[in-house]
Amino acid sequence: GNSVTQMEGPVTLSEEAFLTINCTYTATGYPSLFWYVQYPGEGLQLLLKATKADDKGSNKGFEATYRKETTSFHLEKGSVQVSDSAVYFCALRDYKLSFGAGTTVTVRA
Amino acid sequence: NAGVTQTPKFQVLKTGQSMTLQCAQDMNHNSMYWYRQDPGMGLRLIYYSASEGTTDKGEVPNGYNVSRLNKREFSLRLESAAPSQTSVYFCATTTGSGNTIYFGEGSWLTVV
Repeated sequence: GNSVTQMEGPVTLSEEAFLTINCTYTATGYPSLFWYVQYPGEGLQLLLKATKADDKGSNKGFEATYRKETTSFHLEKGSVQVSDSAVYFCALRDYKLSFGAGTTVTVRA
Repeated sequence: NAGVTQTPKFQVLKTGQSMTLQCAQDMNHNSMYWYRQDPGMGLRLIYYSASEGTTDKGEVPNGYNVSRLNKREFSLRLESAAPSQTSVYFCATTTGSGNTIYFGEGSWLTVV
């Protein structure tokens, strides 16, 4: 079945550091891919998405490119801020939604 | 513009008690989902409903039942709550293309 694997955390960074969270997927067909963010005590918010191969999703300085050849959708941000501290989830949708386990990111001032 | 509404937001149950989590969406979507979120395990799918009148098991359906009462509502029932069901529960719905997912705010359930 469809599944998503993302890098385990926690990840701790200093402000202005470069962030990468790896995400790979297994799916039949051509799923849509998503990154969600969950801030402390809140629900999940859509961060960005891509619906087909080579699409790049971007939002709030974050980017991810849908790579069909490597079945990956890695999340990147060039310069993180303390306010980026959150749990990040990679997800795919084919006929149902599947999520990765989440990666906790902490950014220190 | 409520989107996805879950109730209750917080609940404490004793082992063996039953309860129903309610979810309603006002976006006229066909697909609805129930997830549970546990530390280190991410979001795991309990049940989903591709359309009114249909439901299917997800990854962790044991101990739960669901009802898709109509297009708007998708409820999750715990018949006999167990401490292992202490979790945060999220209802979600998607557009027809599946390109956008909308989540409820979550329901924090503690079973003692």
